[in-house]
Amino acid sequence: DVKVTQSSRYLVKRTGEKVFLECVQDMDHENMFWYRQDPGLGLRLIYFSYDVKMKEKGDIPEGYSVSREKKERFSLILESASTNQTSMYLCASKEGGETQYFGPGTRLLVL
Amino acid sequence: AQSVSQHNHHVILSEAASLELGCNYSYGGTVNLFWYVQYPGQHLQLLLKYFSGDPLVKGIKGFEAEFIKSKFSFNLRKPSVQWSDTAEYFCAVNAALTGGGNKLTFGTGTQLKVEL
Repeated sequence: DVKVTQSSRYLVKRTGEKVFLECVQDMDHENMFWYRQDPGLGLRLIYFSYDVKMKEKGDIPEGYSVSREKKERFSLILESASTNQTSMYLCASKEGGETQYFGPGTRLLVL
Repeated sequence: AQSVSQHNHHVILSEAASLELGCNYSYGGTVNLFWYVQYPGQHLQLLLKYFSGDPLVKGIKGFEAEFIKSKFSFNLRKPSVQWSDTAEYFCAVNAALTGGGNKLTFGTGTQLKVEL
Protein backbone atom coordinates (compact mmCIF):
# COMPACT_ATOMS: atom_id res chain seq x y z
CA ASP A 1 0.00 0.00 0.00
CA VAL A 2 1.09 3.51 -0.77
CA LYS A 3 1.69 5.51 2.35
CA VAL A 4 1.75 9.29 2.47
CA THR A 5 2.45 10.79 5.86
CA GLN A 6 2.27 14.38 7.04
CA SER A 7 4.29 15.63 9.96
CA SER A 8 1.42 17.06 11.98
CA ARG A 9 -2.33 16.47 12.16
CA TYR A 10 -3.00 19.74 13.94
CA LEU A 11 -0.95 22.90 14.11
CA VAL A 12 -1.55 26.28 15.73
CA LYS A 13 0.62 29.22 14.68
CA ARG A 14 0.61 32.97 15.11
CA THR A 15 0.35 35.52 12.35
CA GLY A 16 3.74 36.27 10.86
CA GLU A 17 5.34 32.99 11.86
CA LYS A 18 7.16 30.85 9.33
CA VAL A 19 5.44 27.49 9.03
CA PHE A 20 6.76 24.25 7.60
CA LEU A 21 4.47 21.42 6.62
CA GLU A 22 6.24 18.19 5.80
CA CYS A 23 5.08 15.34 3.61
CA VAL A 24 6.77 12.01 3.04
CA GLN A 25 5.78 9.20 0.69
CA ASP A 26 7.24 5.71 0.76
CA MET A 27 6.53 4.51 -2.79
CA ASP A 28 9.28 6.27 -4.73
CA HIS A 29 6.72 8.40 -6.57
CA GLU A 30 8.06 11.15 -8.76
CA ASN A 31 5.04 13.43 -8.51
CA MET A 32 3.97 15.17 -5.32
CA PHE A 33 1.30 17.76 -4.65
CA TRP A 34 0.10 20.19 -2.00
CA TYR A 35 -3.57 21.17 -1.77
CA ARG A 36 -5.63 23.13 0.64
CA GLN A 37 -9.15 22.05 1.44
CA ASP A 38 -11.76 24.57 2.51
CA PRO A 39 -15.51 24.08 3.06
CA GLY A 40 -17.47 24.81 -0.08
CA LEU A 41 -14.32 25.22 -2.17
CA GLY A 42 -13.12 21.64 -2.44
CA LEU A 43 -9.42 21.01 -2.96
CA ARG A 44 -7.28 23.65 -4.58
CA LEU A 45 -3.78 22.97 -5.85
CA ILE A 46 -1.05 25.12 -4.29
CA TYR A 47 2.16 23.66 -5.74
CA PHE A 48 3.34 20.43 -7.27
CA SER A 49 6.60 18.78 -8.15
CA TYR A 50 7.48 16.31 -10.90
CA ASP A 51 10.99 15.60 -9.69
CA VAL A 52 13.60 16.44 -7.10
CA LYS A 53 14.38 20.15 -6.95
CA MET A 54 11.62 20.83 -9.41
CA LYS A 55 8.43 22.75 -8.58
CA GLU A 56 5.49 24.19 -10.41
CA LYS A 57 2.84 26.64 -9.25
CA GLY A 58 -0.68 25.42 -8.91
CA ASP A 59 -3.83 27.51 -8.82
CA ILE A 60 -3.21 29.37 -5.56
CA PRO A 61 0.55 29.64 -4.91
CA GLU A 62 0.52 33.12 -3.39
CA GLY A 63 1.88 33.17 0.14
CA TYR A 64 3.41 29.71 -0.17
CA SER A 65 6.65 28.15 -1.32
CA VAL A 66 7.83 24.55 -1.52
CA SER A 67 10.98 22.52 -1.28
CA ARG A 68 11.83 19.12 -2.71
CA GLU A 69 15.38 18.18 -1.82
CA LYS A 70 14.72 14.45 -1.75
CA LYS A 71 12.37 12.39 -3.83
CA GLU A 72 10.31 11.15 -0.92
CA ARG A 73 9.86 14.49 0.82
CA PHE A 74 7.90 17.55 -0.25
CA SER A 75 7.66 20.51 2.08
CA LEU A 76 5.18 23.36 2.04
CA ILE A 77 6.37 26.63 3.53
CA LEU A 78 4.31 29.57 4.68
CA GLU A 79 6.88 32.35 4.81
CA SER A 80 4.73 34.61 6.98
CA ALA A 81 1.52 32.94 8.09
CA SER A 82 -1.72 34.89 7.84
CA THR A 83 -5.18 34.16 9.18
CA ASN A 84 -6.52 33.48 5.69
CA GLN A 85 -4.16 30.54 5.50
CA THR A 86 -6.10 28.74 8.21
CA SER A 87 -7.12 25.58 6.41
CA MET A 88 -6.69 21.85 5.98
CA TYR A 89 -3.57 21.07 3.97
CA LEU A 90 -3.37 17.84 2.02
CA CYS A 91 -0.33 16.27 0.45
CA ALA A 92 -0.57 13.71 -2.35
CA SER A 93 1.74 11.68 -4.52
CA LYS A 94 1.48 9.61 -7.67
CA GLU A 95 3.64 7.69 -10.12
CA GLY A 96 3.03 7.49 -13.84
CA GLY A 97 -0.59 6.49 -13.42
CA GLU A 98 -3.19 9.12 -12.75
CA THR A 99 -4.31 8.09 -9.30
CA GLN A 100 -3.15 10.38 -6.53
CA TYR A 101 -2.69 9.04 -3.02
CA PHE A 102 -3.39 11.40 -0.18
CA GLY A 103 -1.98 11.90 3.27
CA PRO A 104 -4.17 12.39 6.36
CA GLY A 105 -3.97 16.16 6.22
CA THR A 106 -2.71 18.90 8.51
CA ARG A 107 -5.29 21.20 10.02
CA LEU A 108 -3.57 24.57 10.45
CA LEU A 109 -4.98 27.36 12.56
CA VAL A 110 -3.32 30.75 12.28
CA LEU A 111 -4.19 33.13 15.11
CA ALA B 1 -9.25 26.10 -18.02
CA GLN B 2 -10.90 22.92 -16.92
CA SER B 3 -13.53 23.04 -14.19
CA VAL B 4 -15.64 20.55 -12.29
CA SER B 5 -19.15 21.17 -10.97
CA GLN B 6 -20.86 19.18 -8.26
CA HIS B 7 -24.45 20.29 -8.09
CA ASN B 8 -25.39 18.91 -4.70
CA HIS B 9 -23.52 20.39 -1.79
CA HIS B 10 -25.42 18.61 0.96
CA VAL B 11 -27.47 15.45 0.60
CA ILE B 12 -29.40 13.71 3.35
CA LEU B 13 -30.77 10.23 2.75
CA SER B 14 -32.28 7.46 4.77
CA GLU B 15 -30.60 4.06 4.84
CA ALA B 16 -31.48 1.90 1.84
CA ALA B 17 -32.31 4.91 -0.32
CA SER B 18 -30.68 5.18 -3.71
CA LEU B 19 -27.96 7.73 -4.30
CA GLU B 20 -26.95 9.74 -7.31
CA LEU B 21 -24.42 12.56 -7.05
CA GLY B 22 -23.96 14.75 -10.06
CA CYS B 23 -20.63 15.75 -11.56
CA ASN B 24 -20.07 17.76 -14.73
CA TYR B 25 -16.81 18.96 -16.13
CA SER B 26 -15.73 21.39 -18.77
CA TYR B 27 -12.86 20.26 -20.94
CA GLY B 28 -12.88 19.38 -24.60
CA GLY B 29 -10.06 16.87 -24.72
CA THR B 30 -9.35 13.45 -23.29
CA VAL B 31 -9.96 13.22 -19.58
CA ASN B 32 -9.52 10.80 -16.75
CA LEU B 33 -12.26 10.94 -14.15
CA PHE B 34 -12.27 10.13 -10.46
CA TRP B 35 -14.46 10.02 -7.43
CA TYR B 36 -12.73 10.37 -4.09
CA VAL B 37 -14.33 9.94 -0.68
CA GLN B 38 -13.40 11.36 2.69
CA TYR B 39 -14.96 9.64 5.68
CA PRO B 40 -15.15 11.63 8.91
CA GLY B 41 -11.68 11.96 10.40
CA GLN B 42 -10.04 9.97 7.63
CA HIS B 43 -7.90 10.84 4.67
CA LEU B 44 -9.12 11.23 1.13
CA GLN B 45 -9.24 7.92 -0.70
CA LEU B 46 -10.07 6.76 -4.19
CA LEU B 47 -13.58 5.41 -4.71
CA LEU B 48 -13.40 4.71 -8.43
CA LYS B 49 -11.87 5.98 -11.65
CA TYR B 50 -12.45 6.03 -15.38
CA PHE B 51 -9.63 6.10 -17.90
CA SER B 52 -11.06 4.41 -20.98
CA GLY B 53 -13.23 1.51 -22.10
CA ASP B 54 -16.57 0.66 -20.52
CA PRO B 55 -18.12 3.96 -19.46
CA LEU B 56 -19.80 2.29 -16.49
CA VAL B 57 -17.19 1.79 -13.82
CA LYS B 58 -17.54 0.02 -10.54
CA GLY B 59 -15.70 1.00 -7.42
CA ILE B 60 -15.41 -0.06 -3.84
CA LYS B 61 -18.33 -0.51 -1.45
CA GLY B 62 -20.95 -0.93 -4.17
CA PHE B 63 -20.46 2.45 -5.82
CA GLU B 64 -20.51 2.92 -9.55
CA ALA B 65 -20.25 5.84 -11.93
CA GLU B 66 -21.17 6.37 -15.54
CA PHE B 67 -19.16 8.49 -17.95
CA ILE B 68 -21.41 10.17 -20.50
CA LYS B 69 -19.12 11.97 -22.89
CA SER B 70 -21.86 13.86 -24.70
CA LYS B 71 -23.03 15.34 -21.41
CA PHE B 72 -19.57 15.88 -19.92
CA SER B 73 -20.84 14.04 -16.87
CA PHE B 74 -19.57 11.41 -14.47
CA ASN B 75 -22.33 10.83 -11.94
CA LEU B 76 -21.83 8.63 -8.91
CA ARG B 77 -24.50 6.11 -7.95
CA LYS B 78 -25.27 3.55 -5.32
CA PRO B 79 -28.52 1.57 -5.27
CA SER B 80 -28.84 1.35 -1.50
CA VAL B 81 -26.83 3.54 0.86
CA GLN B 82 -25.73 2.61 4.34
CA TRP B 83 -25.12 4.73 7.41
CA SER B 84 -21.39 4.10 6.93
CA ASP B 85 -21.52 5.92 3.58
CA THR B 86 -21.79 9.20 5.45
CA ALA B 87 -18.83 11.14 4.06
CA GLU B 88 -17.79 13.90 1.73
CA TYR B 89 -17.51 12.96 -1.93
CA PHE B 90 -15.31 14.71 -4.46
CA CYS B 91 -15.39 14.41 -8.20
CA ALA B 92 -12.10 15.12 -9.98
CA VAL B 93 -10.95 15.44 -13.57
CA ASN B 94 -7.43 14.96 -14.84
CA ALA B 95 -6.70 16.63 -18.14
CA ALA B 96 -3.69 17.52 -20.22
CA LEU B 97 -2.25 21.01 -19.91
CA THR B 98 -1.44 23.14 -22.95
CA GLY B 99 2.22 23.37 -22.06
CA GLY B 100 2.57 19.71 -21.21
CA GLY B 101 1.86 17.62 -18.15
CA ASN B 102 -1.58 17.23 -16.67
CA LYS B 103 -3.58 18.55 -13.78
CA LEU B 104 -6.18 17.15 -11.44
CA THR B 105 -9.07 19.52 -10.77
CA PHE B 106 -11.55 18.84 -7.97
CA GLY B 107 -15.16 19.75 -7.56
CA THR B 108 -16.31 21.52 -4.42
CA GLY B 109 -17.53 18.31 -2.82
CA THR B 110 -20.85 16.85 -1.71
CA GLN B 111 -21.48 16.18 1.93
CA LEU B 112 -23.62 13.05 2.25
CA LYS B 113 -25.37 12.23 5.48
CA VAL B 114 -27.17 8.91 5.78
CA GLU B 115 -29.70 8.66 8.56
CA LEU B 116 -30.76 5.45 10.27
